[in-house]
Amino acid sequence: DAKTTQPNSMESNEEEPVHLPCNHSTISGTDYIHWYRQLPSQGPEYVIHGLTSNVNNRMASLAIAEDRKSSTLILHRATLRDAAVYYCILRDASNTGKLIFGQGTTLQVKP
Amino acid sequence: DGGITQSPKYLFRKEGQNVTLSCEQNLNHDAMYWYRQDPGQGLRLIYYSQIVNDFQKGDIAEGYSVSREKKESFPLTVTSAQKNPTAFYLCASSMFQGSSPLHFGNGTRLTVT
Repeated sequence: DAKTTQPNSMESNEEEPVHLPCNHSTISGTDYIHWYRQLPSQGPEYVIHGLTSNVNNRMASLAIAEDRKSSTLILHRATLRDAAVYYCILRDASNTGKLIFGQGTTLQVKP
Repeated sequence: DGGITQSPKYLFRKEGQNVTLSCEQNLNHDAMYWYRQDPGQGLRLIYYSQIVNDFQKGDIAEGYSVSREKKESFPLTVTSAQKNPTAFYLCASSMFQGSSPLHFGNGTRLTVT
């Protein structure tokens, strides 16, 4: 199973952009990159996903390296509500079913 | 509204008792998953199911059992064989495609004393 590596924690100031990195050097050509975030005592929430091209939605942007061995979740203007644990996972297009979450990155947002 | 429901939110049991956690979804999703989360840790996969009447072990299946008799339901039983059952349990579902996002329930916090 392809694994991902993320920093344990990051800090940001409110209203500034945040770039959350994820390394996935063993990614296969059919793996989608998914990002989720989790608030305390809640289930994770889907943020964004992509395959090869950069993606934007109302919550965030996803920048994928050309070799696909890393990706970056971009929050354009951090708010206090963005303080959460962010998980980057890989999901095979053929859906082998076994989805592995790492430790994630705990994002602190300072007012 | 469509969604995934876990119940109860909090559950207390005595050591040596089996306990079953409920997970129901009305999203018509094929795949369902159970994860365990310990304080300050990430999610660890217990079991997953891609189709009715079929399921596979995840990384930490020992001491747990599941069933998938209906597409909407994927209950998890924590047996007395599970050595450290106290944890936060999360259920998720998704369509049977790699591009489909996971939808999570709000979890059940199990405390065994």
